[in-house]
Amino acid sequence: GESVGLHLPTLSVQEGDNSIINCAYSNSASDYFIWYKQESGKGPQFIIDIRSNMDKRQGQRVTVLLNKTVKHLSLQIAATQPGDSAVYFCAEIVGGSEKLVFGKGTKLTVNP
Amino acid sequence: DAGVTQSPTHLIKTRGQHVTLRCSPISGHKSVSWYQQVLGQGPQFIFQYYEKEERGRGNFPDRFSARQFPNYSSELNVNALLLGDSALYLCASTTGRIANYGYTFGSGTRLTVV
Repeated sequence: GESVGLHLPTLSVQEGDNSIINCAYSNSASDYFIWYKQESGKGPQFIIDIRSNMDKRQGQRVTVLLNKTVKHLSLQIAATQPGDSAVYFCAEIVGGSEKLVFGKGTKLTVNP
Repeated sequence: DAGVTQSPTHLIKTRGQHVTLRCSPISGHKSVSWYQQVLGQGPQFIFQYYEKEERGRGNFPDRFSARQFPNYSSELNVNALLLGDSALYLCASTTGRIANYGYTFGSGTRLTVV
């Protein structure tokens, strides 16, 4: 069925380290994936997206990797900063749909 | 430009009551979607409206309903509230297909049912 799951519910890193947040998805018909950051008391904020015809996309300090063979998505954050502390969600869209399917989220804590 | 605005920001209701949540999309955005986010989980899709017509509905009971007005603002209504309806209700707007234009979320309405 439709589901997006995450391997780790929490992640704690030191400031300046690189962070990797993982996500598994189950619907092979999903063709668009988004990573969101959600800070306390706020709505999800777009970080980066990737389409299913790509396997890597880079933004400013962030990289998303997509492995369709094993249905796995990851978000890499370089030089993690205290301001990166938040809950991170991956979300997928099945082709032809306008419904985002979210995972449960990973809470990232950056220690100074 | 103002982002997606939702009102009220917080709300406390009693079981069995009815609630109306409101959303104003970004100017020019014709599509509004509603999501429910239970504490500790990811948002779940409730409804999508485009040009005042319902274009999608999630797995929620008929107690949940919504509508979109000519100015593209939207209301989410929930009848016969249950304790399990306590959640953050998020509204998101877009100008077209999500994959092409993305979504912008509001900060949500925190509903507590007691």
